[in-house]
Amino acid sequence: GDSVTQMEGPVTLSEEAFLTINCTYTATGYPSLFWYVQYPGEGLQLLLKATKADDKGSNKGFEATYRKETTSFHLEKGSVQVSDSAVYFCALSEDYKLSFGAGTTVTVRA
Amino acid sequence: NAGVTQTPKFRVLKTGQSMTLLCAQDMNHEYMYWYRQDPGMGLRLIHYSVGEGTTAKGEVPDGYNVSRLKKQNFLLGLESAAPSQTSVYFCASTQPPPYEQYFGPGTRLTVT
Repeated sequence: GDSVTQMEGPVTLSEEAFLTINCTYTATGYPSLFWYVQYPGEGLQLLLKATKADDKGSNKGFEATYRKETTSFHLEKGSVQVSDSAVYFCALSEDYKLSFGAGTTVTVRA
Repeated sequence: NAGVTQTPKFRVLKTGQSMTLLCAQDMNHEYMYWYRQDPGMGLRLIHYSVGEGTTAKGEVPDGYNVSRLKKQNFLLGLESAAPSQTSVYFCASTQPPPYEQYFGPGTRLTVT
């Protein structure tokens, strides 16, 4: 079945550092790919998405490119802020159900 | 536009008690979902619905029941709560495609 594997955390960074969270997937077809973010005490929010190969999703300074050849969708941000501290989930959808990775906790220190 | 709302936000139950969690969405979405989130395990799908009057089992359905009598509401029931059901429960909804899901704020349930 479909599955998502993402980099284990926790990840601790200093402000203005570069962030990368690796995500790879297994799917039988051509899934849509998502990154969700969960701030402390809140529900999940869609951060960005890509629906086909070579698409780049971007939002709030975060980017991820749908790489079919490597079955990857790595999340990157060039300069993180304290407010980026959260749990990040990679997910895929081939139909109306999402498959989530286990989540990566990111802490950014001032 | 409230999006997806959940009630209650917090609840403490004793083993064997029952309760119902309510999820409501105002986006006219066809599909609705219930997940549980446990530390280190991401989100696991409990039950879902692809339309009013329909429900289906997800990955971890045991001990839970659901109903979708109205399109905008999706109820999750625990008939006899167990400590293993201590978790944070999230509801979500979506429209096709690409099926990006919109989540509620969650319900934190503790079973003692």
